[in-house]
Amino acid sequence: AQSVTQLGSHVSVSEGALVLLRCNYSSSVPPYLFWYVQYPNQGLQLLLKYTTGATLVKGINGFEAEFKKSETSFHLTKPSAHMSDAAEYFCAVTLISSGSARQLTFGSGTQLTVLP
Amino acid sequence: DAGVTQSPTHLIKTRGQQVTLRCSPKSGHDTVSWYQQALGQGPQFIFQYYEEEERQRGNFPDRFSGHQFPNYSSELNVNALLLGDSALYLCASRVADFYGYTFGSGTRLTVV
Repeated sequence: AQSVTQLGSHVSVSEGALVLLRCNYSSSVPPYLFWYVQYPNQGLQLLLKYTTGATLVKGINGFEAEFKKSETSFHLTKPSAHMSDAAEYFCAVTLISSGSARQLTFGSGTQLTVLP
Repeated sequence: DAGVTQSPTHLIKTRGQQVTLRCSPKSGHDTVSWYQQALGQGPQFIFQYYEEEERQRGNFPDRFSGHQFPNYSSELNVNALLLGDSALYLCASRVADFYGYTFGSGTRLTVV
């Protein structure tokens, strides 16, 4: 079984400041990890994903995340926040094992507010 | 290229009624999953369909059922609606051997 914990249900940053959204996972087998963003009244948009290979993953809109197996973490960062980054962010995990439906297990989300 | 299309976008039903939600996957995708997202929470996996069969199911009662058609589109049916079924229902599609999911904008179901 797998699970995801997102630390901080609400995060506020000033425009231009560093964005750091935390995600820790629990998985009995090597995981694939994802970050999704959800704007009000919309579905989920994929920001980035880690499958195999390089542990530092770059995504859309200037976001990146680093897979740290020893810390079971996959934190999302962006060097400089924009007002348009205000949204809900979800970390998700799925299992690599064959035969799995590969369903996503989501964290409870972090609401990012960007202050002018 | 159209992404995942869900209908309707909003729906209001009364307790005890039945509802059907529809999903058309992204072109080229053959696997469809349904998720329930209650207010203020992350999406919860309901079930997944591939080759017109339910392949895996999350922790949801039998009141939740689904179907996949030969053109890969899918329906989610919920019987005997409860107030707690009020949520955003998301459909996600992917190619069978790939981990990249594409999500629709969802159907907002309100049970009164």
